[in-house]
Amino acid sequence: GEDVEQSLFLSVREGDSSVINCTYTDSSSTYLYWYKQEPGAGLQLLTYIFSNMDMKQDQRLTVLLNKKDKHLSLRIADTQTGDSAIYFCAENPNTGKLIFGQGTTLQVKP
Amino acid sequence: DGGITQSPKYLFRKEGQNVTLSCEQNLNHDAMYWYRQDPGQGLRLIYYSQIVNDFQKGDIAEGYSVSREKKESFPLTVTSAQKNPTAFYLCASSRLADTQYFGPGTRLTVL
Repeated sequence: GEDVEQSLFLSVREGDSSVINCTYTDSSSTYLYWYKQEPGAGLQLLTYIFSNMDMKQDQRLTVLLNKKDKHLSLRIADTQTGDSAIYFCAENPNTGKLIFGQGTTLQVKP
Repeated sequence: DGGITQSPKYLFRKEGQNVTLSCEQNLNHDAMYWYRQDPGQGLRLIYYSQIVNDFQKGDIAEGYSVSREKKESFPLTVTSAQKNPTAFYLCASSRLADTQYFGPGTRLTVL
């Protein structure tokens, strides 16, 4: 069935790189997304990748997609305290609905 | 300024009351969605609508109702039948089968 899985928690030191991982199930998904949620706020679209790409870079963010293993990752370079948030992975299986993971809480220690 | 607005930001409900959460968008999106988020958990889809005057149940529709009389508006009513309504409610909109954009959320607390 449809399921997107993420690890629940990641802790890094300020200045280090963070890597958040996600696995998804629907190989027909055309887009895969990363959203960021700060405390008490809605979800903010961070970046997305088309399924025919294997990498996308946007400033400090790098998204890697391995379609064979249905694995998606988000790398944040030079992680700052302002990056502390919950990060959600989501897939778009073209059913009119997105499938979200449970979210990974990123804690950045000064 | 284009975007999605939700009101109120905080809402308190007494047991047995119905309450309505507002969601408006001026992005000209066809589709709108309501999600529920509980502490430490992901998003669960309550209802969604892809066109005016039509909507579909999501995974947890029991105890909720919606209407879609206008393209810009998708209000959610939390009825007294919803046994545990305290949660954070998020509205989103998108072009059909496309990227979803989220509002700031409404936190509902039952007193």
